Amino acid sequence: EVQLVESGGGLVQPGGSLRLSCVASGFTFSSNAMNWVRQAPGKGLEWVSYIGSSGSDIYYADSVKGRFIVSRDNAKNSLYLQMNSLTAEDTAVYYCVRPYNGAFDPWGQGTMVTVSS
Amino acid sequence: DIVMTQSPLSLPVTPGEPASISCRSSQSLLHSNGYNYFDWYLQKPGQSPQLLIYLGSYRASGVPDRFSGSGSGKDFTLKISRVEPEDFGVYYCMQVLQPPYTFGQGTKLEIK
Repeated sequence: EVQLVESGGGLVQPGGSLRLSCVASGFTFSSNAMNWVRQAPGKGLEWVSYIGSSGSDIYYADSVKGRFIVSRDNAKNSLYLQMNSLTAEDTAVYYCVRPYNGAFDPWGQGTMVTVSS
Repeated sequence: DIVMTQSPLSLPVTPGEPASISCRSSQSLLHSNGYNYFDWYLQKPGQSPQLLIYLGSYRASGVPDRFSGSGSGKDFTLKISRVEPEDFGVYYCMQVLQPPYTFGQGTKLEIK
């Protein structure tokens, strides 16, 4: 069974940093690109970042470009999102998702990030 | 960026009745390989989104056949032949043709 388990969320002050992790299982992680998607409370879905299977291709949403850094460790089947200079607008549930057959499937359970003083 | 526009944003439906949701893209999602890079997702209350339809019209594994996706290019439709109680939630369309990948605003399917 394909599983994605996110962790690392929590409460952080404005201007602070946080590192999210996602551990993958049930598929060949090193052969798959990965994405981060977020959802602010009561709002819709927003794609955040993409990283290719080797880590050489990386894309970001304009809203996080220059502040967030996506990375991966294929030896540990792990995906990361380093989030810096956080603002209240970054408050959201962050999902780790695998692109497969032209879709995002499956989705992890998400990890909540709250930016507040 | 590709803009995805869903309609309606709210859809009250009586269980057992059909339902239809539309999504329009600001540019064609038809790839040169013949596939539309367009998906439908359902997010039930308190849950993560789940894939329903991929590449425009292919049902994901385990998705009941009362769900169908159609359309090509810039206009797509999700149809539910008979809405069941477990179908209520928020439906999102999404383009995966090129980053930044973008979602529609979401359509809330509600009990009438």
